[in-house]
Amino acid sequence: GIQVEQSPPDLILQEGANSTLRCNFSDSVNNLQWFHQNPWGQLINLFYIPSGTKQNGRLSATTVATERYSLLYISSSQTTDSGVYFCAATYYGGSQGNLIFGKGTKLSVKP
Amino acid sequence: DGGITQSPKYLFRKEGQNVTLSCEQNLNHDAMYWYRQDPGQGLRLIYYSQIVNDFQKGDIAEGYSVSREKKESFPLTVTSAQKNPTAFYLCASSIGQPNTEAFFGQGTRLTVV
Repeated sequence: GIQVEQSPPDLILQEGANSTLRCNFSDSVNNLQWFHQNPWGQLINLFYIPSGTKQNGRLSATTVATERYSLLYISSSQTTDSGVYFCAATYYGGSQGNLIFGKGTKLSVKP
Repeated sequence: DGGITQSPKYLFRKEGQNVTLSCEQNLNHDAMYWYRQDPGQGLRLIYYSQIVNDFQKGDIAEGYSVSREKKESFPLTVTSAQKNPTAFYLCASSIGQPNTEAFFGQGTRLTVV
């Protein structure tokens, strides 16, 4: 089945720094999402981005489907950005709508 | 407010007991899903349903059961056959094919005591 790999597994930043999180997937996908899991466990939707580039405030994401990767950019990081970031994908031929998750990137932003 | 509501937030179960986790959505979504998350891990699919009165097993369905009698409701029962049920359980929904963007509830943390 499809593999979704995220890097780095852990990231520590000083407040105000920029960062790039990467998601590689092993097969063609028809959906890719980025989530932020807050300290209470809730998954917050960041981007639905099967291809192309989107921006939302300090966050932006790019998916290059032909090269099987997606990037999440966080600029001017804040302590509230801390948490775990997951990417997840559904793929052609898979169980309909079944998101395959990576293991996440744990981000810690220090004041 | 539109959204997905899971209850309870915390649940304690004695060994040998069945427990049912509730998931309700008022987004008029056709598809609903149950995922399990273990510490430090991503989410794994337990069951999913694309339409009322139909559901399919996911990757780790053993020891779990579901029903989909109403569009807005997709309860998950953790049975005594589930050997290691302590985990964080998340319910999700999506409009359905071809748009598969999923939205999640706040989760239920189940602990076996």
